[in-house]
Amino acid sequence: NAGVTQTPKFRILKIGQSMTLQCAQDMNHNYMYWYRQDPGMGLKLIYYSVGAGITDKGEVPNGYNVSRSTTEDFPLRLELAAPSQTSVYFCASSTRQGFSNQPQHFGDGTRLSIL
Amino acid sequence: KQEVTQIPAALSVPEGENLVLNCSFTDSAIYNLQWFRQDPGKGLTSLLLIQSSQREQTSGRLNASLDKSSGRSTLYIAASQPGDSATYLCAVRDDKIIFGKGTRLHILP
Repeated sequence: NAGVTQTPKFRILKIGQSMTLQCAQDMNHNYMYWYRQDPGMGLKLIYYSVGAGITDKGEVPNGYNVSRSTTEDFPLRLELAAPSQTSVYFCASSTRQGFSNQPQHFGDGTRLSIL
Repeated sequence: KQEVTQIPAALSVPEGENLVLNCSFTDSAIYNLQWFRQDPGKGLTSLLLIQSSQREQTSGRLNASLDKSSGRSTLYIAASQPGDSATYLCAVRDDKIIFGKGTRLHILP
């Protein structure tokens, strides 16, 4: 049981390049989330999904896009990378809101630098 | 809009002491509150989750309490050890999950 798997672990991009951060979970969780964490800060929610085919914006969605074609996968796309997007990105998953006695599970993060 | 605040931002205590970390939130309509630990350069590890109907949860030397009416939670760590040094984050869940900025804890050997 792998839990939440994020790839890649590290990446350096040039300004204006695009890339997709991958996230997969094998726990059959309905809810999936993308966060970014800047140095010395907590996590800020970028996008989340309550199930396949459904996505919604979080606190800081600008500059990002997501899709949720399957329960297992929730990729995050940066179309035109900007230095402000340098951060550590975490993917997480959890059970349905109505069964909130289970904790949120996190991946190990993707460290992204935009130069 | 839900806001989560953690005080203090950083804390250093000698090994063996008991300590309390604080978390406050502005909207009491939450489903649960979760405490996480984050080691430098690592992801988040869930420590304790308290359902909105519960008052506290315990795991080993950790005890977390929840007072929804006052919008507060505390994480109590008994007999602190150098291995407890990490950043501790709390997060509340309503429609979304909102995190505090964390408390950086350093246990002095």
